[in-house]
Amino acid sequence: AQRVTQPEKLLSVFKGAPVELKCNYSYSGSPELFWYVQYSRQRLQLLLRHISRESIKGFTADLNKGETSFHLKKPFAQEEDSAMYYCALKGGAGTALIFGKGTTLSVSS
Amino acid sequence: KAGVTQTPRYLIKTRGQQVTLSCSPISGHRSVSWYQQTPGQGLQFLFEYFSETQRNKGNFPGRFSGRQFSNSRSEMNVSTLELGDSALYLCASSLVRVADTQYFGPGTRLTVL
Repeated sequence: AQRVTQPEKLLSVFKGAPVELKCNYSYSGSPELFWYVQYSRQRLQLLLRHISRESIKGFTADLNKGETSFHLKKPFAQEEDSAMYYCALKGGAGTALIFGKGTTLSVSS
Repeated sequence: KAGVTQTPRYLIKTRGQQVTLSCSPISGHRSVSWYQQTPGQGLQFLFEYFSETQRNKGNFPGRFSGRQFSNSRSEMNVSTLELGDSALYLCASSLVRVADTQYFGPGTRLTVL
């Protein structure tokens, strides 16, 4: 079965500190992985996907198949990064997009 | 282009009633997915429709149902409402696959009293 685990409900950091939002998944095949973000009073939106291997707003995420992880990282947090972050997994053909329970990132000055 | 729209935005119902929620996807998007969002469980997948066919279904009781019309608009229905059905119901559309970028609507806030 597909499963996404985000072990932290809340992550609080200071502005300028590094950020790592953890995501572990359970899937036996080759998954597609995503990070979605929801800023206050805004809609949920795609932040990045692993196949793009791009950096969005300074965030990167690397798929580690050995550790079945897809952690989201940013070297220097900004206050505008404060939001709810969801990790999501898509398994093989015919499977749904499954979300983790989300991690609230709070960046304070 | 216009984003995903959901109607109504807010609903208050009582236990035992039924409710229908509507979702209009972005023009040209053929896949519509529904999610239930609660503080305790986060986003839980309800079902996905593509070309008027249910392509996937999450682990929800049969009281939750949906459909998609030929213009890709979708509705979901919850019958015999329970207090635990109180949640934000989100609709998302994508071009073809759920792995394509999903664009989310603002949600319908359902309160069951």
